[in-house]
Amino acid sequence: QKEVEQNSGPLSVPEGAIASLNCTYSDRGSQSFFWYRQYSGKSPELIMFIYSNGDKEDGRFTAQLNKASQYVSLLIRDSQPSDSATYLCAVRHSNYQLIWGAGTKLIIKP
Amino acid sequence: EAQVTQNPRYLITVTGKKLTVTCSQNMNHEYMSWYRQDPGLGLRQIYYSMNVEVTDKGDVPEGYKVSRKEKRNFPLILESPSPNQTSLYFCARIYMLLLRGNTEAFFGQGTRLTVV
Repeated sequence: QKEVEQNSGPLSVPEGAIASLNCTYSDRGSQSFFWYRQYSGKSPELIMFIYSNGDKEDGRFTAQLNKASQYVSLLIRDSQPSDSATYLCAVRHSNYQLIWGAGTKLIIKP
Repeated sequence: EAQVTQNPRYLITVTGKKLTVTCSQNMNHEYMSWYRQDPGLGLRQIYYSMNVEVTDKGDVPEGYKVSRKEKRNFPLILESPSPNQTSLYFCARIYMLLLRGNTEAFFGQGTRLTVV
């Protein structure tokens, strides 16, 4: 059974600080990794994807991938209250299947 | 604008009463999928479709049916709903970025189903 694990949280971070979200996966052959943000009662929306080892930056967001250790993380710099949401990690399983983590709830405290 | 549209957004029904949740997309994409989302369990795939008349089971297909008679529509059918099917349901368009070998899921607005 292929699995994606996330700490459910909530993770509480002061406004302006760096929020660090982590995800581990079981399938060593996985190639593509995604971070989605989901506000309460809304549908998930894609923030970033990464498929190469190392860091990928997009504005305040940085995705980090370490295939040897089988983890992927998301850093949010200068956290804002509007970043408060649940963050879902997803791993590509096939051309049309993603395996999802249960999500980490992030709370940014003003 | 690319869209995946689900209806209804909210539904309360009784055990055993057949229901259909509709899903339509305006992008002519082949791949579509249904997920359910439950607290602590994340998104779990119910069924997916690779093209018209081509569907397959996901991780939790029991108690559900789907059909794909045309590319645009992908309805989810609960023939005899039970309380354990109370959940938040999402229809998703699966978009493949073939050059990079990546997959992206673009979601409908969600349907909150309560079975009493």
